[in-house]
Amino acid sequence: ETGVTQSPTHLIKTRGQQVTLRCSSQSGHNTVSWYQQALGQGPQFIFQYYREEENGRGNFPPRFSGLQFPNYSSELNVNALELDDSALYLCASSPRGGVADTQYFGPGTRLTVL
Amino acid sequence: GENVEQHPSTLSVQEGDSAVIKCTYSDSASNYFPWYKQELGKRPQLIIDIRSNVGEKKDQRIAVTLNKTAKHFSLHITETQPEDSAVYFCAAINNYGQNFVFGPGTRLSVLP
Repeated sequence: ETGVTQSPTHLIKTRGQQVTLRCSSQSGHNTVSWYQQALGQGPQFIFQYYREEENGRGNFPPRFSGLQFPNYSSELNVNALELDDSALYLCASSPRGGVADTQYFGPGTRLTVL
Repeated sequence: GENVEQHPSTLSVQEGDSAVIKCTYSDSASNYFPWYKQELGKRPQLIIDIRSNVGEKKDQRIAVTLNKTAKHFSLHITETQPEDSAVYFCAAINNYGQNFVFGPGTRLSVLP
């Protein structure tokens, strides 16, 4: 069984640029959630994708967008980067969408915005 | 929406002592409560979870209790070891599984 993987590991961008982060879900999981974790804080829910559709969204502006592909992998896109977007971005996969289920986290992508 | 509070923010215990971390939630529709351990620079790892139809769950040195009426749940670690040192996060999720709301975390230090 393959765990959740994310790429890249680290990324440095400048303010105003755009970034795409990638996540491969654990084998057999059809739901991917994305979180932003600022230093010293708990993860904040961005959105969830289930069967290629957005299935819930947290309090993040529209410049945060995502996709899920038929193989259940997912992308997080952030446009017009701001300094406050610097954080660890975590994705988590779960076996079933639409129900309260265990989420398994990837190692994260650390984004630095200069 | 859901709001999860967690206390204490930092906790230091001597090796072998017990540690207790408490969380409260606001949304009565929440019915799944996992606990994650996050070591420095690593991903959050699930250590134990509990659903709203259960009052207590135990796994070796770790236990979780849930009081639905009071909307709080607690993590208990007995016989603490230095490798238990990490940041612990509680979370609450509603029946539709769309939104994990995490607490702010507790930094546990186990002193040898």
